[in-house]
Amino acid sequence: AQTVTQSQPEMSVQEAETVTLSCTYDTSESDYYLFWYKQPPSRQMILVIRQEAYKQQNATENRFSVNFQKAAKSFSLKISDSQLGDAAMYFCAYRSPQGAQKLVFGQGTRLTINP
Amino acid sequence: DGGITQSPKYLFRKEGQNVTLSCEQNLNHDAMYWYRQDPGQGLRLIYYSQIVNDFQKGDIAEGYSVSREKKESFPLTVTSAQKNPTAFYLCASSRAALNTGELFFGEGSRLTVL
Repeated sequence: AQTVTQSQPEMSVQEAETVTLSCTYDTSESDYYLFWYKQPPSRQMILVIRQEAYKQQNATENRFSVNFQKAAKSFSLKISDSQLGDAAMYFCAYRSPQGAQKLVFGQGTRLTINP
Repeated sequence: DGGITQSPKYLFRKEGQNVTLSCEQNLNHDAMYWYRQDPGQGLRLIYYSQIVNDFQKGDIAEGYSVSREKKESFPLTVTSAQKNPTAFYLCASSRAALNTGELFFGEGSRLTVL
């Protein structure tokens, strides 16, 4: 079974600075999807960014980008120009291309933005 | 607006009682999911359904039951057999045909057992 590990329970960053959240995963599959979800205090999960494993190019969405290292099974999220609204729990998730579209989540990283 | 509606947002239950959490979506999604969230453990899959009248157990299905009689609805019942039901419950859906893997989530229901 696949597992996802986020080794940083909490992170903090100064407003306007850059922060990187770490995620590693374990799988024997060669093709899969990886996601970063944000959970603000409202508790609703919001998709931040998605990466398909067959794509070598790292995904980017505005201030959010990933560093996808397939051989190392690493999938970190970089947030540039951090804003107060970025404060949230961030979850890394894995999805197998086989069967149902269920996601396996990491434990989450709580990100605090210091003004 | 399209989305996923969970109700109630907060629910209190006495030990020994069954409770049902509602999840309705108007996104015309085929698949629906229930996750449980506990502090420090991320989200764990309880049950999922890929099509009406069919559902499968997730990783922590014991003490829970579901039904999928309509495409739009996927209610979760927390039974008295669930030993530690106090948690935050999230419902999600996805459009299986696109196979993008993205899940859309509701706002969650917090269940507290008194």
